[in-house]
Amino acid sequence: QVQLVESGGGVVQPGRSLRLSCAASGFTFSSYGMHWVRQAPDKGLEWVAVIWFDESNRYYADSVKGRFTISRDNSKNTLYLQMDTLRAEDTAVYYCAAGEHSYGPAGWWGQGTLVTVSS
Amino acid sequence: DIVMTQSPDSLAVSLGERATINCKSSQNILYNSNKKNYLAWYQQKPGQPPKLVISWASTRESGVPDRFSGSGSGTDFTLTISNLQAEDVAVYYCQQYYNTPFTFGPGTKVDIK
Repeated sequence: QVQLVESGGGVVQPGRSLRLSCAASGFTFSSYGMHWVRQAPDKGLEWVAVIWFDESNRYYADSVKGRFTISRDNSKNTLYLQMDTLRAEDTAVYYCAAGEHSYGPAGWWGQGTLVTVSS
Repeated sequence: DIVMTQSPDSLAVSLGERATINCKSSQNILYNSNKKNYLAWYQQKPGQPPKLVISWASTRESGVPDRFSGSGSGTDFTLTISNLQAEDVAVYYCQQYYNTPFTFGPGTKVDIK
């Protein structure tokens, strides 16, 4: 069955960096677009970034552009999110999600990993 | 950026009755070349990740009960839950994937009256 397992979350000070990972299994990872979506405590969903199946395109929300970098390793079935210059407002549960089409919905989601930015 | 709005913010419906959630996009999200609306609906229960229930505005995902239906085109969309069941209590989000950033609506909380 499809599994997406995020890791790498934790408590980090403002201005520092963190890298999230998402291990995928149960589907052909290299054929799917991959997203990061976050949810601040008791708030709604915020789309963060997407990377095409072949890494040919990457797009970001304005709130993270220039600070976050999405990447993937298709040989390892793993998605990454490098988060630099973290701010308190980046505190959220970060979900990875898979979509069959580059411009399409996210059909499969992980359970999420919590990132807390605090001094 | 395309801004997604939803109404109402929350609603309470009696078991077996109908729940209707509206979603509006600030721009047209109907792609003329394939006549598809680039809109999804997600259900999120407490402590769980979102679950895709409707894609392309009206296509129910596999395993989703047929009491869930999506409609609308262009800029105005509706999610209808007929015969509301206790397990349908959740927050529902619409999302456009017509243009990046792929923005979500603010969510609508559905409860039992």
